[in-house]
Amino acid sequence: ETAVFQTPNYHVTQVGNEVSFNCKQTLGHDTMYWYKQDSKKLLKIMFSYNNKQLIVNETVPRRFSPQSSDKAHLNLRIKSVEPEDSAVYLCASSYGGGERLFFGHGTKLSVL
Amino acid sequence: QQQVRQSPQSLTVWEGETAILNCSYENSAFDYFPWYQQFPGEGPALLIAIRSVSDKKEDGRFTIFFNKREKKLSLHITDSQPGDSATYFCAASPNTNKVVFGTGTRLQVLP
Repeated sequence: ETAVFQTPNYHVTQVGNEVSFNCKQTLGHDTMYWYKQDSKKLLKIMFSYNNKQLIVNETVPRRFSPQSSDKAHLNLRIKSVEPEDSAVYLCASSYGGGERLFFGHGTKLSVL
Repeated sequence: QQQVRQSPQSLTVWEGETAILNCSYENSAFDYFPWYQQFPGEGPALLIAIRSVSDKKEDGRFTIFFNKREKKLSLHITDSQPGDSATYFCAASPNTNKVVFGTGTRLQVLP
């Protein structure tokens, strides 16, 4: 049963455009994450948010920025996309330290 | 630098066989090792996990074997079913805020 909801499912855009992806969780978790999954299926954490505080940022380019309105929402904005940003972006949530991550279905971004 | 490595990259077994997926890590501080299962078009989902104080964890057809001295672990899937076809990720963390995922093993179970 999906409890982490991501929109859109797919997005195609051109280099230099701005994009924004949405994520909402209905599990009552206090921590949310964004992961990037490349074409080889490698999973890399980008951000995590706990109580509106950014607690992990793994050398992500500055054009990426997380945006949170409350603990149930964590959006991802990419200011000026580049070809290497083509990937699947996965949102996740957890309670407390993250012993169990719940992932959404992902947003597939294609940059032409 | 990949801190968690998995092998093989892909694996094909026949229905009913045992699939063995391997994982190794470098950081001695890792003490929690979850395995996630990912089907096409979906996000990963927690399948089974083990802590470093244990050397074995079993859940139905899925068993983790853990060797702390060699920094290796493996996931055994007995009586493999076509529905088990998915990508499996070994992960590790020293504390649960910093989960590091492995490179993944794509498993195909043929009927």
